[in-house]
Amino acid sequence: DAKTTQPNSMESNEEEPVHLPCNHSTISGTDYIHWYRQLPSQGPEYVIHGLTSNVNNRMASLAIAEDRKSSTLILHRATLRDAAVYYCILGPGANSKLTFGKGITLSVRP
Amino acid sequence: NAGVTQTPKFRVLKTGQSMTLLCAQDMNHEYMYWYRQDPGMGLRLIHYSVGEGTTAKGEVPDGYNVSRLKKQNFLLGLESAAPSQTSVYFCASRPLKGGGNEQFFGPGTRLTVL
Repeated sequence: DAKTTQPNSMESNEEEPVHLPCNHSTISGTDYIHWYRQLPSQGPEYVIHGLTSNVNNRMASLAIAEDRKSSTLILHRATLRDAAVYYCILGPGANSKLTFGKGITLSVRP
Repeated sequence: NAGVTQTPKFRVLKTGQSMTLLCAQDMNHEYMYWYRQDPGMGLRLIHYSVGEGTTAKGEVPDGYNVSRLKKQNFLLGLESAAPSQTSVYFCASRPLKGGGNEQFFGPGTRLTVL
């Protein structure tokens, strides 16, 4: 399975934009790029996904490099509630399985 | 809709005891998954099911059994609990089609095995 590489952690200030990077140099042509986040003491929740084009939804934007070997999750205005572990995941795997790495821990300063 | 619910929320077992974790979803989803999460780690897939009456092994299936007798329920069993099974267990579900492979997760069950 193709793997992703994320920094261990990142800090941001409240109400400022946040760019969370993800490298996936071995991505296959059929792999979607998914982002999930996990708030403290909660289960993961879906954030966004994309294949080739940049994507926007109410939670975030996903910018995908032209060669698809990297992507960036963009939170336009970080809030304290956005402090979480963010997982970049390729897939779906067989039977829609997701393979989670360690993710990136985002801290938000007031 | 309640979404994905898990029972119980917390449990403490002694080594060798058995227990069953229940996952229920009211979204009529075909796929269901059981994951475990150890401190500082991502989630690892234990078992999954692609429909009622079917189950399959995931990444870390040893020591666990599962059953999917009803479409809405996915049970995870520990026949003889070991301290290595101390973890937080998450259940997830997703529909057969659509949704962009979005999985919906429950709130988790925190299990401690002494």
